[in-house]
Amino acid sequence: QKEVEQDPGPLSVPEGAIVSLNCTYSNSAFQYFMWYRQYSRKGPELLMYTYSSGNKEDGRFTAQVDKSSKYISLFIRDSQPSDSATYLCAMKESGGSNYKLTFGKGTLLTVNP
Amino acid sequence: EAGVTQSPTHLIKTRGQQATLRCSPISGHTSVYWYQQALGLGLQFLLWYDEGEERNRGNFPPRFSGRQFPNYSSELNVNALELEDSALYLCASSLEAGAVQFFGPGTRLTVL
Repeated sequence: QKEVEQDPGPLSVPEGAIVSLNCTYSNSAFQYFMWYRQYSRKGPELLMYTYSSGNKEDGRFTAQVDKSSKYISLFIRDSQPSDSATYLCAMKESGGSNYKLTFGKGTLLTVNP
Repeated sequence: EAGVTQSPTHLIKTRGQQATLRCSPISGHTSVYWYQQALGLGLQFLLWYDEGEERNRGNFPPRFSGRQFPNYSSELNVNALELEDSALYLCASSLEAGAVQFFGPGTRLTVL
């Protein structure tokens, strides 16, 4: 079983739709959760960074973490064509010397005008 | 504020050659991380440097190596290149060990 599972899509939605992106994980040592956005041929750009279970909102983006279910989500409201990109979930353990990020494979999202 | 920069943007090598990739972290950041993004495999952790020392290493063979310089910039060296080393190599930096990681644009390495 992979440490982080993410549906690769592709996901295609009309402009203005609510988008839901999800990841599940198996390593209970993961304590920090991130969502990155990666445009084609570019480096990943940090969107959201969360630690505790619950919701965190930033503009049109909401990150949700459920540690009991080992499940994280990213919601995008009022999606725009400029949101078309690959979305990567990433996770990190707390403390020690293991500060590497473990990524899902990414979900390719297309928002159609 | 300038972000993480990487050079070169593209690199084409042949099997058996060596490749050197460079990374300059965000000013003030002391930790540098290297990741490989190969087609179909996603981003995989390669190496982590902090304060000039290698702190952690991913599941890659020893021909992947690197170093961090006193100005915190970093270099990734890949020896005896193989076709499967073709990938986007991403560098990230953080203000300190364990802090949020910010990525550069990557170096696309093609091995022929």
